[in-house]
Amino acid sequence: QLQLQESGPGLVKPSETLSLTCTVSGDSIGSSVYYWAWIRQPPGKGLEWIGTIAYSGTTYYNPSLKSRVTISLDASKNHFYLKLSSVAAADTALYYCGGPQYYHMDAWGKGTTVTVSS
Amino acid sequence: QSALSQPPSASGSPGQSVTISCTGTSSDVGAYKYVSWYQQHPGKAPKVMIYEVTERPAGVPDRFSGSKSGNTASLTVSGLQAEDEADYYCSSYAGNNLLLFGGGTKLTVL
Repeated sequence: QLQLQESGPGLVKPSETLSLTCTVSGDSIGSSVYYWAWIRQPPGKGLEWIGTIAYSGTTYYNPSLKSRVTISLDASKNHFYLKLSSVAAADTALYYCGGPQYYHMDAWGKGTTVTVSS
Repeated sequence: QSALSQPPSASGSPGQSVTISCTGTSSDVGAYKYVSWYQQHPGKAPKVMIYEVTERPAGVPDRFSGSKSGNTASLTVSGLQAEDEADYYCSSYAGNNLLLFGGGTKLTVL
């Protein structure tokens, strides 16, 4: 059974870069036609798709965040990553990783809260 | 691309049926069969209940069903149970490698 878990700093200063890791267990992230996504949820608000990375390393980003987002993966560690640069208070959210389908997410991590504050 | 439009709330009594709508455009909901519905209980991660408009993952009760007409997709919960009380989000592929979510609907079981 596929399991995902997010990790990373819970507090990031404005203008700095948010970096998160998603650890996948139960299957190899690079061994099949899998797609891995980052989604966020600001406090009390709805879900926002941030971007997706394919098993091959091809990336797809939300146009509203594209200039600040980088998603990458390390198949040897079964990890994939999110970097969001130049963060501001509006980036404060619960960040989820999910997968492994392209059009929907069957598996989700429990989420990790990131607060942007000085 | 704007978020998909959902009613902020819906409600029904135990045993009743309730339908939640998700309105998009001819570029997203109307164009593709890739509409999904997620259930989110407070403090929990979302869980997919419906994918590809009508498909139900293993383990999801058949009380949950999905449909689509034109630019509007719908999630119907039949035989409402107390544990169905949650937030529900729709999602649609919007072309150009873009995924959209709806704003969410809070379902209350009266």
